[in-house]
Amino acid sequence: DTGVSQNPRHKITKRGQNVTFRCDPISEHNRLYWYRQTLGQGPEFLTYFQNEAQLEKSRLLSDRFSAERPKGSFSTLEIQRTEQGDSAMYLCASSLGTTGNTIYFGEGSWLTVV
Amino acid sequence: GNSVTQMEGPVTLSEEAFLTINCTYTATGYPSLFWYVQYPGEGLQLLLKATKADDKGSNKGFEATYRKETTSFHLEKGSVQVSDSAVYFCALSARAAGNKLTFGGGTRVLVKP
Repeated sequence: DTGVSQNPRHKITKRGQNVTFRCDPISEHNRLYWYRQTLGQGPEFLTYFQNEAQLEKSRLLSDRFSAERPKGSFSTLEIQRTEQGDSAMYLCASSLGTTGNTIYFGEGSWLTVV
Repeated sequence: GNSVTQMEGPVTLSEEAFLTINCTYTATGYPSLFWYVQYPGEGLQLLLKATKADDKGSNKGFEATYRKETTSFHLEKGSVQVSDSAVYFCALSARAAGNKLTFGGGTRVLVKP
Protein backbone atom coordinates (compact mmCIF):
# COMPACT_ATOMS: atom_id res chain seq x y z
CA ASP A 1 0.00 0.00 0.00
CA THR A 2 1.58 3.26 -1.10
CA GLY A 3 -1.08 5.62 0.20
CA VAL A 4 -0.95 8.03 3.12
CA SER A 5 -0.64 6.13 6.38
CA GLN A 6 -1.69 7.44 9.79
CA ASN A 7 -1.12 6.00 13.26
CA PRO A 8 -2.74 5.37 15.60
CA ARG A 9 -6.17 5.11 14.00
CA HIS A 10 -7.91 5.61 17.32
CA LYS A 11 -6.75 7.15 20.56
CA ILE A 12 -8.67 7.62 23.80
CA THR A 13 -6.93 9.78 26.34
CA LYS A 14 -7.69 11.52 29.58
CA ARG A 15 -7.95 15.27 29.71
CA GLY A 16 -4.60 16.84 30.37
CA GLN A 17 -2.55 14.08 28.77
CA ASN A 18 -0.34 14.55 25.72
CA VAL A 19 -0.94 12.67 22.49
CA THR A 20 1.07 12.29 19.30
CA PHE A 21 -0.10 11.26 15.85
CA ARG A 22 2.16 10.12 13.06
CA CYS A 23 1.67 10.49 9.31
CA ASP A 24 3.65 8.80 6.55
CA PRO A 25 2.93 10.53 3.23
CA ILE A 26 3.18 9.11 -0.27
CA SER A 27 6.92 8.81 -0.76
CA GLU A 28 7.52 11.28 -3.58
CA HIS A 29 5.18 13.97 -2.21
CA ASN A 30 6.87 17.12 -0.96
CA ARG A 31 3.75 18.70 0.54
CA LEU A 32 2.16 17.40 3.73
CA TYR A 33 -1.02 18.79 5.29
CA TRP A 34 -2.84 18.33 8.58
CA TYR A 35 -6.59 18.89 8.92
CA ARG A 36 -9.07 18.48 11.74
CA GLN A 37 -12.61 17.21 11.26
CA THR A 38 -15.38 17.16 13.83
CA LEU A 39 -18.63 15.22 13.44
CA GLY A 40 -20.88 16.65 10.76
CA GLN A 41 -18.36 19.24 9.62
CA GLY A 42 -15.94 19.63 6.75
CA PRO A 43 -12.21 19.29 7.37
CA GLU A 44 -10.50 22.42 8.70
CA PHE A 45 -6.95 23.26 7.75
CA LEU A 46 -4.36 23.17 10.55
CA THR A 47 -0.93 23.39 8.98
CA TYR A 48 1.21 22.31 6.05
CA PHE A 49 4.82 21.55 5.18
CA GLN A 50 6.85 21.90 2.04
CA ASN A 51 9.53 19.27 2.59
CA GLU A 52 10.70 19.92 6.18
CA ALA A 53 9.61 23.59 6.30
CA GLN A 54 6.34 24.43 8.02
CA LEU A 55 4.91 27.11 5.75
CA GLU A 56 1.58 27.99 7.32
CA LYS A 57 -0.30 27.47 10.57
CA SER A 58 -3.99 28.07 11.08
CA ARG A 59 -5.34 30.14 13.96
CA LEU A 60 -6.94 26.84 15.05
CA LEU A 61 -3.49 25.59 15.95
CA SER A 62 -3.15 26.82 19.51
CA ASP A 63 0.09 26.80 21.48
CA ARG A 64 -0.77 23.30 22.70
CA PHE A 65 -0.41 21.95 19.17
CA SER A 66 2.90 21.35 17.46
CA ALA A 67 3.75 19.66 14.20
CA GLU A 68 7.05 18.57 12.79
CA ARG A 69 8.33 16.99 9.64
CA PRO A 70 11.97 16.11 10.23
CA LYS A 71 13.94 15.37 7.08
CA GLY A 72 10.88 16.06 4.98
CA SER A 73 9.52 12.56 5.30
CA PHE A 74 7.01 11.52 7.97
CA SER A 75 5.28 14.08 10.18
CA THR A 76 4.05 14.14 13.76
CA LEU A 77 1.26 16.20 15.29
CA GLU A 78 1.45 16.54 19.07
CA ILE A 79 -1.29 17.89 21.28
CA GLN A 80 -0.25 18.81 24.79
CA ARG A 81 -2.57 19.04 27.79
CA THR A 82 -5.52 17.72 25.81
CA GLU A 83 -8.98 19.21 26.32
CA GLN A 84 -12.38 17.71 25.53
CA GLY A 85 -12.72 20.17 22.66
CA ASP A 86 -9.75 18.49 20.98
CA SER A 87 -11.86 15.40 20.32
CA ALA A 88 -11.97 15.08 16.54
CA MET A 89 -10.51 13.20 13.62
CA TYR A 90 -7.08 14.40 12.57
CA LEU A 91 -6.47 13.94 8.88
CA CYS A 92 -3.12 13.93 7.16
CA ALA A 93 -2.75 14.48 3.43
CA SER A 94 0.05 14.79 0.92
CA SER A 95 0.59 16.05 -2.60
CA LEU A 96 3.23 17.13 -5.09
CA GLY A 97 2.39 20.74 -4.28
CA THR A 98 1.84 21.94 -7.83
CA THR A 99 -1.30 23.95 -8.51
CA GLY A 100 -4.23 21.67 -9.29
CA ASN A 101 -2.49 18.51 -8.14
CA THR A 102 -4.59 16.04 -6.22
CA ILE A 103 -4.19 16.01 -2.46
CA TYR A 104 -4.39 12.45 -1.10
CA PHE A 105 -5.74 11.80 2.37
CA GLY A 106 -5.01 9.16 4.93
CA GLU A 107 -7.78 7.38 6.83
CA GLY A 108 -7.44 9.69 9.79
CA SER A 109 -6.70 9.38 13.48
CA TRP A 110 -9.68 9.60 15.79
CA LEU A 111 -9.02 11.31 19.12
CA THR A 112 -11.42 11.04 22.04
CA VAL A 113 -10.59 13.05 25.15
CA VAL A 114 -12.45 11.88 28.26
CA GLY B 1 -10.61 34.72 2.01
CA ASN B 2 -11.55 31.57 0.12
CA SER B 3 -14.75 29.78 0.99
CA VAL B 4 -17.01 26.99 -0.27
CA THR B 5 -20.74 26.69 0.29
CA GLN B 6 -22.64 23.51 -0.44
CA MET B 7 -26.20 22.44 0.11
CA GLU B 8 -26.97 20.97 3.47
CA GLY B 9 -28.16 17.43 3.81
CA PRO B 10 -29.15 14.89 4.40
CA VAL B 11 -30.31 14.12 0.91
CA THR B 12 -32.39 10.95 0.77
CA LEU B 13 -33.00 9.30 -2.58
CA SER B 14 -34.28 6.06 -4.00
CA GLU B 15 -31.99 3.86 -6.05
CA GLU B 16 -31.72 4.96 -9.71
CA ALA B 17 -32.80 8.52 -8.87
CA PHE B 18 -30.96 11.61 -10.16
CA LEU B 19 -28.61 13.31 -7.71
CA THR B 20 -27.54 16.95 -7.68
CA ILE B 21 -25.47 18.57 -4.94
CA ASN B 22 -24.98 22.30 -5.31
CA CYS B 23 -21.62 23.92 -4.61
CA THR B 24 -20.59 27.54 -4.97
CA TYR B 25 -17.29 29.14 -4.09
CA THR B 26 -15.57 32.43 -3.38
CA ALA B 27 -11.90 32.72 -4.24
CA THR B 28 -9.31 35.12 -5.50
CA GLY B 29 -7.69 34.18 -8.76
CA TYR B 30 -8.45 30.92 -10.52
CA PRO B 31 -8.87 28.05 -8.10
CA SER B 32 -8.92 24.36 -8.84
CA LEU B 33 -12.14 22.64 -7.76
CA PHE B 34 -12.64 19.20 -6.27
CA TRP B 35 -15.26 16.81 -5.03
CA TYR B 36 -14.20 14.40 -2.30
CA VAL B 37 -16.28 11.53 -0.90
CA GLN B 38 -16.13 10.09 2.60
CA TYR B 39 -17.62 6.69 3.37
CA PRO B 40 -18.48 5.85 6.99
CA GLY B 41 -15.41 5.51 9.18
CA GLU B 42 -13.01 6.28 6.36
CA GLY B 43 -10.86 9.16 5.18
CA LEU B 44 -11.50 11.34 2.17
CA GLN B 45 -11.20 10.03 -1.38
CA LEU B 46 -10.96 12.23 -4.43
CA LEU B 47 -14.03 11.75 -6.60
CA LEU B 48 -13.28 14.23 -9.39
CA LYS B 49 -11.63 17.55 -10.09
CA ALA B 50 -11.45 20.42 -12.58
CA THR B 51 -8.57 22.84 -12.84
CA LYS B 52 -9.89 25.55 -15.18
CA ALA B 53 -13.10 27.16 -16.29
CA ASP B 54 -15.47 25.01 -18.39
CA ASP B 55 -13.56 21.82 -17.53
CA LYS B 56 -15.75 18.86 -16.68
CA GLY B 57 -14.56 16.36 -14.12
CA SER B 58 -16.06 12.89 -14.16
CA ASN B 59 -15.64 9.59 -12.35
CA LYS B 60 -17.83 6.61 -11.44
CA GLY B 61 -20.82 8.16 -13.19
CA PHE B 62 -20.47 11.46 -11.32
CA GLU B 63 -19.89 14.72 -13.19
CA ALA B 64 -19.24 18.35 -12.31
CA THR B 65 -18.50 21.34 -14.54
CA TYR B 66 -16.37 24.31 -13.48
CA ARG B 67 -18.57 27.37 -14.09
CA LYS B 68 -16.57 30.53 -13.56
CA GLU B 69 -19.45 32.86 -14.45
CA THR B 70 -21.62 31.45 -11.65
CA THR B 71 -18.69 30.39 -9.40
CA SER B 72 -20.23 26.93 -9.14
CA PHE B 73 -19.19 23.29 -9.32
CA HIS B 74 -22.38 21.28 -8.89
CA LEU B 75 -22.10 17.49 -8.59
CA GLU B 76 -24.49 15.29 -10.56
CA LYS B 77 -25.15 11.61 -11.09
CA GLY B 78 -27.86 10.27 -13.32
CA SER B 79 -28.68 7.04 -11.48
CA VAL B 80 -27.52 6.54 -7.92
CA GLN B 81 -26.88 3.23 -6.20
CA VAL B 82 -27.07 2.24 -2.55
CA SER B 83 -23.26 2.14 -2.57
CA ASP B 84 -23.21 5.90 -3.29
CA SER B 85 -24.42 6.58 0.24
CA ALA B 86 -21.68 8.75 1.75
CA VAL B 87 -20.78 12.33 2.64
CA TYR B 88 -19.68 14.49 -0.29
CA PHE B 89 -17.38 17.48 0.13
CA CYS B 90 -16.80 20.26 -2.36
CA ALA B 91 -13.40 21.93 -2.06
CA LEU B 92 -11.11 24.40 -3.76
CA SER B 93 -7.40 25.03 -3.81
CA ALA B 94 -5.73 28.24 -4.90
CA ARG B 95 -2.10 28.96 -5.63
CA ALA B 96 -2.29 32.22 -3.69
CA ALA B 97 -3.31 30.23 -0.61
CA GLY B 98 -0.52 27.70 -0.84
CA ASN B 99 -2.62 25.19 -2.77
CA LYS B 100 -4.17 23.92 0.43
CA LEU B 101 -7.79 22.73 0.27
CA THR B 102 -10.70 24.74 1.60
CA PHE B 103 -13.76 22.56 2.16
CA GLY B 104 -17.49 23.05 2.27
CA GLY B 105 -19.47 21.63 5.16
CA GLY B 106 -20.33 18.38 3.40
CA THR B 107 -23.60 16.87 2.18
CA ARG B 108 -24.74 13.50 3.47
CA VAL B 109 -26.43 11.37 0.83
CA LEU B 110 -28.49 8.33 1.70
CA VAL B 111 -29.69 6.07 -1.10
CA LYS B 112 -32.45 3.62 -0.23
CA PRO B 113 -33.10 0.43 -2.17
